[in-house]
Amino acid sequence: GAGVSQSPSNKVTEKGKDVELRCDPISGHTALYWYRQSLGQGLEFLIYFQGNSAPDKSGLPSDRFSAERTGGSVSTLTIQRTQQEDSAVYLCASSLDGYYGYTFGSGTRLTVV
Amino acid sequence: SQQGEEDPQALSIQEGENATMNCSYKTSINNLQWYRQNSGRGLVHLILIRSNEREKHSGRLRVTLDTSKKSSSLLITASRAADTASYFCATDGNQFYFGTGTSLTVIP
Repeated sequence: GAGVSQSPSNKVTEKGKDVELRCDPISGHTALYWYRQSLGQGLEFLIYFQGNSAPDKSGLPSDRFSAERTGGSVSTLTIQRTQQEDSAVYLCASSLDGYYGYTFGSGTRLTVV
Repeated sequence: SQQGEEDPQALSIQEGENATMNCSYKTSINNLQWYRQNSGRGLVHLILIRSNEREKHSGRLRVTLDTSKKSSSLLITASRAADTASYFCATDGNQFYFGTGTSLTVIP
């Protein structure tokens, strides 16, 4: 597609359940980022994939969070045993080479009840 | 860690006026970017300025960068109601860090 696609756009889940968020980056973009934005706060970096290099996971807030990127394209962010503080908008962005302008998806709004 | 911090946190102006937002960061950068986020929508990339550039223009946008002060400013000229949004600066590395943004309201 022409842009970065994220699914689902909205997700309501019960506390303790696992969720998977999906990101389809722009074809050919080697860099992929996951961020989250909690209400009233700035964007928080989560994880960065660049080509075949080992991902930079330094932003993941706990071991309940994990992400993978299959075939250098689609990425899945998994949150296990969700907590209410995980409620946020999760944004994915891709970049041609990881150094210049990014294209963001419209995000997945996660609500943990 | 690198972090862009914008000020003011909120800005309200009349349509047609200019809006200036500032961003400060902590460490050396390769480039700095400004983004806009309309409520409920994704981020839109506005402009990138490299560390060896001092000023850049794009339409009604003007960005300046002062690496000695570790600061940048975004000027929106002749503002329109459609410019109402939150504006973020982001600094690079292998990660981009965003501040909480400046919330701009342009009153028609």
